[in-house]
Amino acid sequence: GAGVSQSPSNKVTEKGKDVELRCDPISGHTALYWYRQSLGQGLEFLIYFQGNSAPDKSGLPSDRFSAERTGGSVSTLTIQRTQQEDSAVYLCASSLWGAGPYEQYFGPGTRLTVT
Amino acid sequence: GNSVTQMEGPVTLSEEAFLTINCTYTATGYPSLFWYVQYPGEGLQLLLKATKADDKGSNKGFEATYRKETTSFHLEKGSVQVSDSAVYFCALSLNAGKSTFGDGTTLTVKP
Repeated sequence: GAGVSQSPSNKVTEKGKDVELRCDPISGHTALYWYRQSLGQGLEFLIYFQGNSAPDKSGLPSDRFSAERTGGSVSTLTIQRTQQEDSAVYLCASSLWGAGPYEQYFGPGTRLTVT
Repeated sequence: GNSVTQMEGPVTLSEEAFLTINCTYTATGYPSLFWYVQYPGEGLQLLLKATKADDKGSNKGFEATYRKETTSFHLEKGSVQVSDSAVYFCALSLNAGKSTFGDGTTLTVKP
């Protein structure tokens, strides 16, 4: 079946602009995760959703970052007033939820470049 | 808090060499442990996992054993191939929710 998809695959934006990144999880996966991967770095957790709720927003770097999920499916990560330090690959993953933990399935990522 | 420490890279080996990538962790509770792999130009994918102490995860010739006493989950392969060149991430997860990842180790295998 279809895997996790993300759009756009690449985004170049000017400093100060807002951007929206989209994630379509695997059908039936109730958990959805956002991570950030900076060049040469590991994965930095941003936020996760269980259904449409976000029990853990602790990883969001600042109040310029927000995320929502609707219908227990698609999620959007919004970065307002982008800064150059926001440049990174933003990864989305989804998994089953329950007694777990379950394997996370990752999307290909969105490469964000802030100029 | 929870953390994962991986052997720093990059690691360069000749084909058929033995591979070890060290991973140690700190966690409150009893985590499940994972190795993910990211091949060039591709997304992360699960390589193997272990959910309790003394479990051994294995896949594609790679193995890792969950060692509670040393809080470790070292990745090993007896004979690497050029196609194993990738970035390897160790991760832990407690119940459901977020995983904590190491910084990744880049492996290059030369013919």
